[in-house]
Amino acid sequence: DAGVIQSPRHEVTEMGQEVTLRCKPISGHDYLFWYRQTMMRGLELLIYFNNNVPIDDSGMPEDRFSAKMPNASFSTLKIQPSEPRDSAVYFCASSFAVLGGYTFGSGTRLTVV
Amino acid sequence: GNSVTQMEGPVTLSEEAFLTINCTYTATGYPSLFWYVQYPGEGLQLLLKATKADDKGSNKGFEATYRKETTSFHLEKGSVQVSDSAVYFCALRGSARQLTFGSGTQLTVLP
Repeated sequence: DAGVIQSPRHEVTEMGQEVTLRCKPISGHDYLFWYRQTMMRGLELLIYFNNNVPIDDSGMPEDRFSAKMPNASFSTLKIQPSEPRDSAVYFCASSFAVLGGYTFGSGTRLTVV
Repeated sequence: GNSVTQMEGPVTLSEEAFLTINCTYTATGYPSLFWYVQYPGEGLQLLLKATKADDKGSNKGFEATYRKETTSFHLEKGSVQVSDSAVYFCALRGSARQLTFGSGTQLTVLP
């Protein structure tokens, strides 16, 4: 199994531009999570899906952030418009069943200048 | 709500020293407990887990025991190696589906 695959690994963009981060979960996993990691705030859960349905998006910082999961093998996190304070590492993770551990992707390091 | 409190870092040890990283939690019900490790430039990797009281999780020489009476899940290793240098996260998963993470503890092992 290739694990959770995220793309791109690194993204540098200018303030105001749209950014799309992508995630392919492990086949058969029914939960997908998006986290943001910064030095100041640590790991923050942004949103998670169960069977492609968004369950809790209370961690999404504001309306500039949106996430979709059109099918069981693909999810996107979009920021529009991006701002310098969005600079962080964004992780996607997936899991099987309610009490399982997560498998994390390698993350996308986003820099907004 | 659920919360996890981890030992403040950074922790610096010499190779072959004994490691303890403290972790305590607050949760309702009977959560599952986890330790994750993050190496530089990588995502978090599951190190070990325990799903009920008195369970001991172990992997790669690391151990942690689920202590419900003290609401703790301390990580230990008898003899650390330079390759163990990383950030370690304690986490719990309760009735809510998402993991709640501690703030992480940076470990540096010197040769």
